[in-house]
Amino acid sequence: KAGVTQTPRYLIKTRGQQVTLSCSPISGHRSVSWYQQTPGQGLQFLFEYFSETQRNKGNFPGRFSGRQFSNSRSEMNVSTLELGDSALYLCASSLGRNPRGEQYFGPGTRLTVT
Amino acid sequence: LAKTTQPISMDSYEGQEVNITCSHNNIATNDYITWYQQFPSQGPRFIIQGYKTKVTNEVASLFIPADRKSSTLSLPRVSLSDTAVYYCLVGDATGANNLFFGTGTRLTVIP
Repeated sequence: KAGVTQTPRYLIKTRGQQVTLSCSPISGHRSVSWYQQTPGQGLQFLFEYFSETQRNKGNFPGRFSGRQFSNSRSEMNVSTLELGDSALYLCASSLGRNPRGEQYFGPGTRLTVT
Repeated sequence: LAKTTQPISMDSYEGQEVNITCSHNNIATNDYITWYQQFPSQGPRFIIQGYKTKVTNEVASLFIPADRKSSTLSLPRVSLSDTAVYYCLVGDATGANNLFFGTGTRLTVIP
């Protein structure tokens, strides 16, 4: 079974621009979560989508948004990029059942904002 | 929101057993405890999950006391390839609450 894939793997953007990152979960997984990882703040939860609905949201500004499609693929968007948005963005998928089980992480997208 | 506290780093010699403790004083009734391992430039990888008492799988054991305010990940006979960051994660069983990874514990295995 193919793992979680994220595209693109690397991205360089300029302050003020916007960016869209994509995540394809493992087949059959209905939950997709997004995380931001930086050296200073560690792994921080952004949001989770389950069956096309945002089920949970972390403490990030409204510039960070996401969506999930009917095939469970998910995108996250960051508008008006700031230097502090430079990070590794990780996507994780799971069955989304109760209790929350194992999450499978993708390799991440390394975003650099200049 | 149940937050976690872990040691920032630990060193161990090859072949030893390593115990990493995580504190989660305000864990909620519905929360499960999950541990992940992360190597540089990779996404975290699931190690083990538990709710109470002891859970064991082929790679680790998880010990959770009765009050569930802490948990201990036990790695038997570590090797150099176990050098990684280990995260303790406390999350709601229903998926309704945020997941908090914390800063993790950087384990360095020494030859």
